[in-house]
Amino acid sequence: GNSVTQMEGPVTLSEEAFLTINCTYTATGYPSLFWYVQYPGEGLQLLLKATKADDKGSNKGFEATYRKETTSFHLEKGSVQVSDSAVYFCALRFAERDDKIIFGKGTRLHILP
Amino acid sequence: NAGVTQTPKFQVLKTGQSMTLQCAQDMNHNSMYWYRQDPGMGLRLIYYSASEGTTDKGEVPNGYNVSRLNKREFSLRLESAAPSQTSVYFCASTAGLAGGEQFFGPGTRLTVL
Repeated sequence: GNSVTQMEGPVTLSEEAFLTINCTYTATGYPSLFWYVQYPGEGLQLLLKATKADDKGSNKGFEATYRKETTSFHLEKGSVQVSDSAVYFCALRFAERDDKIIFGKGTRLHILP
Repeated sequence: NAGVTQTPKFQVLKTGQSMTLQCAQDMNHNSMYWYRQDPGMGLRLIYYSASEGTTDKGEVPNGYNVSRLNKREFSLRLESAAPSQTSVYFCASTAGLAGGEQFFGPGTRLTVL
């Protein structure tokens, strides 16, 4: 079946460090891929997305590239800030099928000043 | 646009009590979803509705019922609450288009004593 696997947290980094959160997926076909972010006490919100192979999504300094050959969508940021502390979810979606979105379990990120 | 709204924000129930969580979206989206979020479990889909008049079970439907009242509203009902239903509940919606993002409400924090 379709699934998303992301690295377990928590991930703790110092401010200005380089961030990578790994995400790999298993899917039959070519889904759209997403990263969502959840700040404390809030719902999830879209951070970035990519709808086809080799697309790069980017937003707020974060980037992720849809790699079909490695079935991956790793999230990166060159220099993290304390305000990036949140939980990050990788997800995939097939809109033309049953329209469900499959989420990874989430990775909690702590940035130390 | 208010996006996705949920009521109430917080609720405490006793075992065996019933309640309905309300959700509404003003984006004219076709698909709506109910998730629960528990520590270490990520998001789990309870029920979803791909269009007005249809509902389908998700990953964890037992103990819940839903109603897609109209295109805007999708309610979640707990007929006889149990402590295992203590969780944070999120409603979400999508337009149903390929690559379209999912929009989340702010969540309802439910405690069952």
